[in-house]
Amino acid sequence: AIQLTQSPSSLSASVGDRVTISCRASQAISSCLNWYQQRPEKPPKLLIYHTSTLESGVPSRFVGSGSGTDFTLTISSLQPEDFATYYCQHCNSYPYSFGPGTKLEMK
Amino acid sequence: QAQLVESGGGVVRPGGSLRLSCAVSRVSLSNYGLHWIRQAPGKGLEWMAFISKDGSTEHYADSLKGRITISRDNSRDTLFLQMNSLRVDDTAVYYCATDWPVNWGQGTLVTVSS
Repeated sequence: AIQLTQSPSSLSASVGDRVTISCRASQAISSCLNWYQQRPEKPPKLLIYHTSTLESGVPSRFVGSGSGTDFTLTISSLQPEDFATYYCQHCNSYPYSFGPGTKLEMK
Repeated sequence: QAQLVESGGGVVRPGGSLRLSCAVSRVSLSNYGLHWIRQAPGKGLEWMAFISKDGSTEHYADSLKGRITISRDNSRDTLFLQMNSLRVDDTAVYYCATDWPVNWGQGTLVTVSS
């Protein structure tokens, strides 16, 4: 089964900062890599699918990239509502899996 | 877009069984593959299982294979998750989600405790 790791596990940043979250797969995967945002007590929200395609309604400050085993989510200018936990998920083959998450906190 | 509502959560004793349901509305269930995902308190997301649109194909997380069964009833627009031999570490919020487009329910809490 494909394992995903994320770094960092937590991150402190300020409004307006640019932040990057990394997701690494244990083996090369196709472009089927999704990014979710989860706020406390809420279900996850899909932000990006197929590595770099923005889900409808998601602000353009969220950018996904990567290939092979290494993928990134970049938030170009943090807004107050962006402080949340972010998960990557692969859909390359079953079983699917999620990364352990990156908690983005306000500095 | 699809609306999903999970039910069937609650408190169950270790070793017990539980069947969760996920009612889907606003769309026809037969148009969607479906997943179950769970999240233990304060922990990350764990993908559990998938079932194809017609129910002919199922996939499970290796760690849960043999203890859970995913099924669906398209005539009732409902997804199910049967869980057996429950353990304390199965305590979690259980979410159902459509495959594509992606929609998630709000989750149902299962607490395994004596």
